[in-house]
Amino acid sequence: TQLLEQSPQFLSIQEGENLTVYCNSSSVFSSLQWYRQEPGEGPVLLVTVVTGGEVKKLKRLTFQFGDARKDSSLHITAAQPGDTGLYLCAAGGATNKLIFGTGTLLAVQP
Amino acid sequence: DVKVTQSSRYLVKRTGEKVFLECVQDMDHENMFWYRQDPGLGLRLIYFSYDVKMKEKGDIPEGYSVSREKKERFSLILESASTNQTSMYLCASSLAGTHVYGYTFGSGTRLTVV
Repeated sequence: TQLLEQSPQFLSIQEGENLTVYCNSSSVFSSLQWYRQEPGEGPVLLVTVVTGGEVKKLKRLTFQFGDARKDSSLHITAAQPGDTGLYLCAAGGATNKLIFGTGTLLAVQP
Repeated sequence: DVKVTQSSRYLVKRTGEKVFLECVQDMDHENMFWYRQDPGLGLRLIYFSYDVKMKEKGDIPEGYSVSREKKERFSLILESASTNQTSMYLCASSLAGTHVYGYTFGSGTRLTVV
């Protein structure tokens, strides 16, 4: 069974701080996605990365796919309370099913 | 605005009842999925479907069945609800080629079995 491990599991920071969330696997994937889930809602797709070494930016969020396509990171600059939520990575392979990571619960205190 | 709509946000059912969770998408997506989400266990795939009248078991299908009679609708059925099926249920859909397009999720149904 392929596994995606995220770290840290929980993160509580003050508004304005920077943070990085990691998503790691021993398997190679064709793509990797990041989702954010707010309380009581379903996950919402933030970004898809498909090329090893690829970096994508979405305002204050920077996503990177590892060179070997086994890992990814999400960096948030100057976090805001609106960034609070559960961050999930998800990897795609040969099938149409995604494998979801274990999740990182982020709380940004004002 | 494209959508995946789940019929109920909150549901309370009694042990032994037959429960139907409905999911409808308006994006003409081929793939549809049912997950349950529990604290500490993440998202676990129950069933999925790549086409009308087609279904495949996910990682935890026991106690559940599904129906996909039309492309836009994917129903999850709890044949005889039990307390260990209390959970958040999430429906998702995607185009073929998930690794590029990703999933669109519904808002979820929080089911409590008493």
